[in-house]
Formats: sequence, C-alpha cells, structure tokens
Amino acid sequence: DVKVTQSSRYLVKRTGEKVFLECVQDMDHENMFWYRQDPGLGLRLIYFSYDVKMKEKGDIPEGYSVSREKKERFSLILESASTNQTSMYLCASEGDEQFFGPGTRLTVL
Amino acid sequence: KQEVTQIPAALSVPEGENLVLNCSFTDSAIYNLQWFRQDPGKGLTSLLLIQSSQREQTSGRLNASLDKSSGRSTLYIAASQPGDSATYLCAVRDDYKLSFGAGTTVTVRA
Repeated sequence: DVKVTQSSRYLVKRTGEKVFLECVQDMDHENMFWYRQDPGLGLRLIYFSYDVKMKEKGDIPEGYSVSREKKERFSLILESASTNQTSMYLCASEGDEQFFGPGTRLTVL
Repeated sequence: KQEVTQIPAALSVPEGENLVLNCSFTDSAIYNLQWFRQDPGKGLTSLLLIQSSQREQTSGRLNASLDKSSGRSTLYIAASQPGDSATYLCAVRDDYKLSFGAGTTVTVRA
C-alpha cells in the first residue's frame, strides 16, 4: 500500500514562530507537492519538487520555504508564522497519480 | 490558465440512487484526470485516474468517463450508500501541476 505520512495531524503555534511541517513518502517518487486548503478557496499549490535538492514555487509561495534533502522527505517551512497561515496543509507524492497525506491542521495564534 | 468547474456544488440523494458528478475544464492539453474523495478534516483519497488517451476507468461501483475534446469528465457511483457521503474533487494534470475543482459535497440519506 502506498503511503504518505505527515508529521502532525494538529499543530498550534504562536505568531512569529518558525514552523516545520514534514512529509515522508515510501513510494520512491521523484515528485512531491505542498498544498494548503481553505474554505471557499480550494486547494492551492505552495511549492513542489521534482527531485532531491530541487524546488519550484507554486501559486502561493510567499511566506513559505521548502527543503528536499532526501528523495522520500519534503519539508515545508514557515519562517515566521502569521495568523493568515492558519490552514489545512496537505502533502502529496506523485508517480502516475498523486497520493495525499492525512493533512496537518495548523492554527497560528 | 486551467479552470476546473464542478457542478453541482452539493447533492443529497436517498440510499440506493445512482450518483452523477460532473467536472469540466477549460484547457484540453492535459496528461490525466484524477477523481478524489475527501472526508471532513482528512486528506484526499485517490479514486480513479484516467490517462488523456483513455475514455473511461472503472473501479467497483465507480466509473469515470473523460471527453478531452469537450473538456468534460463524469463520475458515476452506482447504488449509493451512506458511506459514500463525502466531498468529491476532480483534478486535471498539465505539464505544470494538478488543477482542482472546488468539489461536490455528497450526502446519501439512509
């Protein structure tokens, strides 16, 4: 069974904190993606990576960065969390199709 | 820019009725189309993948069709059950990314 795991299901952080969201896949996929999902706005692509050490900006990269040091791991970093980054964050891994992790519900107070 | 539309936004049916969910997209230059299911507060579960060269895919009670030239896909769910209640999203893959529709929220009444 394919598996994408995310480090936390729920996370509460303070404004200005540095936040790390981690995603691990066990399918040896090269392509990995980070999305955020908000009511009324749907899924929006933040960053993606087609290979180790490689990253590309998606549609809404502002306020985020990513790290891909190993093929199976893709991390999303909020350098200084803000309240407008409160959201559901979803990681995906892609072979022929995209497989999603369970999501991290992040609340920034 | 690819635009994906799903109609209707919400649907409520009695148990046993067949479900028909529609998805349309504006740019036919796609690699594939995926249908997902999302339960409240959870991630997305892939249901069906249709490659651009295919016309349909089937898995159990689910059947999805693709008409690339007209920019349409339809997901059929036969003999609906209360456990089918969820939000269903379609997404099209081009050479850049997956573009998602807003979803159709389905309620199956027992």
